[in-house]
Amino acid sequence: SQKIEQNSEALNIQEGKTATLTCNYTNYSPAYLQWYRQDPGRGPVFLLLIRENEKEKRKERLKVTFDTTLKQSLFHITASQPADSATYLCADLGGYQKVTFGTGTKLQVIP
Amino acid sequence: EPEVTQTPSHQVTQMGQEVILRCVPISNHLYFYWYRQILGQKVEFLVSFYNNEISEKSEIFDDQFSVERPDGSNFTLKIRSTKLEDSAMYFCASSPDTSQETQYFGPGTRLLVL
Repeated sequence: SQKIEQNSEALNIQEGKTATLTCNYTNYSPAYLQWYRQDPGRGPVFLLLIRENEKEKRKERLKVTFDTTLKQSLFHITASQPADSATYLCADLGGYQKVTFGTGTKLQVIP
Repeated sequence: EPEVTQTPSHQVTQMGQEVILRCVPISNHLYFYWYRQILGQKVEFLVSFYNNEISEKSEIFDDQFSVERPDGSNFTLKIRSTKLEDSAMYFCASSPDTSQETQYFGPGTRLLVL
């Protein structure tokens, strides 16, 4: 079965720097790979989706890349701000909209 | 902006009791989901629901669980006989029929089974 792995449990970076989060999948290439933000005690909030045939997707300060050879997606936040501090979840949207989430990476942006 | 709502925000119950968690999906959405997140662990898919039927369910969603859309607005998750290990945050989500890639999550119900 598909496993979504986010190897970094936590990432601390200085305000203004670019945060890069990694997501690896173990089995088949997801048709859609999603990134969500989750704040403590709250539900995930959808950020970006990238399709299997797309290399890169951008939205404001966010960028997602998808490398099917490496079985990896990278999530970048440029010019990071303390308000970006949260847990970021990578997810595979499977059949019938079943979403398989990774364990998440907790990002802390230090002022 | 429309959003998914869930009630109650917190629920404490005794082991063996039945609980019903309620969700009001976004009004024009047709696909509905339940997820759970045990404290400190990842979000896990439970079930998806479309056209008054379960589309897919995980191995977690056993006979103790059921879902229902009793009217045009509510979507419920029932746990018949709660166990200690059912303690978790339960999230409802919905998505529109033409944009299935994006799911909108509710704020969650924190269930504690004693």
